[in-house]
Amino acid sequence: DSGVTQTPKHLITATGQRVTLRCSPRSGDLSVYWYQQSLDQGLQFLIQYYNGEERAKGNILERFSAQQFPDLHSELNLSSLELGDSALYFCASQGDSPSPLHFGNGTRLTVT
Amino acid sequence: DQQVKQNSPSLSVQEGRISILNCDYTNSMFDYFLWYKKYPAEGPTFLISISSIKDKNEDGRFTVFLNKSAKHLSLHIVPSQPGDSAVYFCAASSASGTYKYIFGTGTRLKVLA
Repeated sequence: DSGVTQTPKHLITATGQRVTLRCSPRSGDLSVYWYQQSLDQGLQFLIQYYNGEERAKGNILERFSAQQFPDLHSELNLSSLELGDSALYFCASQGDSPSPLHFGNGTRLTVT
Repeated sequence: DQQVKQNSPSLSVQEGRISILNCDYTNSMFDYFLWYKKYPAEGPTFLISISSIKDKNEDGRFTVFLNKSAKHLSLHIVPSQPGDSAVYFCAASSASGTYKYIFGTGTRLKVLA
């Protein structure tokens, strides 16, 4: 158990809809990362937050947004969903840098 | 632009033999490298890391080798066990935080009993 919790585990929704994915980091970790994994591809970095502030952006679409709250949990919002957004979305947390990322078990999003 | 590449999508090895997984990177600013293992329906699990000041790091059956001049790292698993069957990802980052953790596309390892 990595200590990182992601909810929900599965999400099925229709094109054009909006969903929110939630992540609770390991106790004490201030940094949260979001990754997308499509069709057995590698993990694509989306965005990083550190102690409530956006720290870095990767290949995140404008339709996607994220935030990290004062209690350090994070949410990834995906809107105007398209079929191609179907993927596994992973959250990871990190202690002091440089150190390994610790991943949750992901949210599998299916857009129909 | 794929900055971290795992050119072998799959590898099969007999139980008890050595498994060697390879990874190449292009960005010379990377200075911190990691290997992760992923089972189906689970998130990636951290295995072992190495910083660019070293060329080898060992943890039990797992050893990571770094060749900075070739921009190449490898993971050796000795001896391989059936429970090692999983997808292995390498990742690279910069300790300064300038470059975030960039992952390869993974190698699926199958250890045959």
